[in-house]
Amino acid sequence: KAGVTQTPRYLIKTRGQQVTLSCSPISGHRSVSWYQQTPGQGLQFLFEYFSETQRNKGNFPGRFSGRQFSNSRSEMNVSTLELGDSALYLCASSSPGGVALPNTGELFFGEGSRLTVL
Amino acid sequence: AQTVTQSQPEMSVQEAETVTLSCTYDTSESDYYLFWYKQPPSRQMILVIRQEAYKQQNATENRFSVNFQKAAKSFSLKISDSQLGDAAMYFCAYVWWGSQGNLIFGKGTKLSVKP
Repeated sequence: KAGVTQTPRYLIKTRGQQVTLSCSPISGHRSVSWYQQTPGQGLQFLFEYFSETQRNKGNFPGRFSGRQFSNSRSEMNVSTLELGDSALYLCASSSPGGVALPNTGELFFGEGSRLTVL
Repeated sequence: AQTVTQSQPEMSVQEAETVTLSCTYDTSESDYYLFWYKQPPSRQMILVIRQEAYKQQNATENRFSVNFQKAAKSFSLKISDSQLGDAAMYFCAYVWWGSQGNLIFGKGTKLSVKP
């Protein structure tokens, strides 16, 4: 079974630009979460999608947005990039769970997209 | 607020020996899960071990075991017979069962294994 695939793996942008990152979850996984990882703040939750609906959102400004498609693939977008947005962005998928089922939290991570903002 | 604290930024262990990584957490919830994730230098995080809060028995996975003290809100990871491949960042994480994808991670412990 293929793992979680994130593209691109590396990218360099300049302040003010926008970026779109893509994530393909493990086949059959309907939940996709996004995390930002930085040396200073560690791993911080961005948002989670299930069946094309955002179910949960972390404490990030509105410049950070995401979406999920009917095939469970997800994208996140960061607009008006700032230097502080430089980070490793990790996507994770989890087994179906479902709206009525508790989230057991076992996540399967991709290798991440390393964003550098100059 | 729910928080996870890992007090050891770095640790070192000799190959074949045992090492224990510490983690404490704070929550007012009663139904939750705790995890240890490993992030090797290649960056892909993988699950090492998981503990359900309602289970009193400590989880074990081969050379990895936990010491879960619910009252003390402590969740340490013991690695026995350490191997060179165990060298990585280890993250302790918490999730409330009603949350959706929002794992709360500690800052991590960098484990080095000396041959």
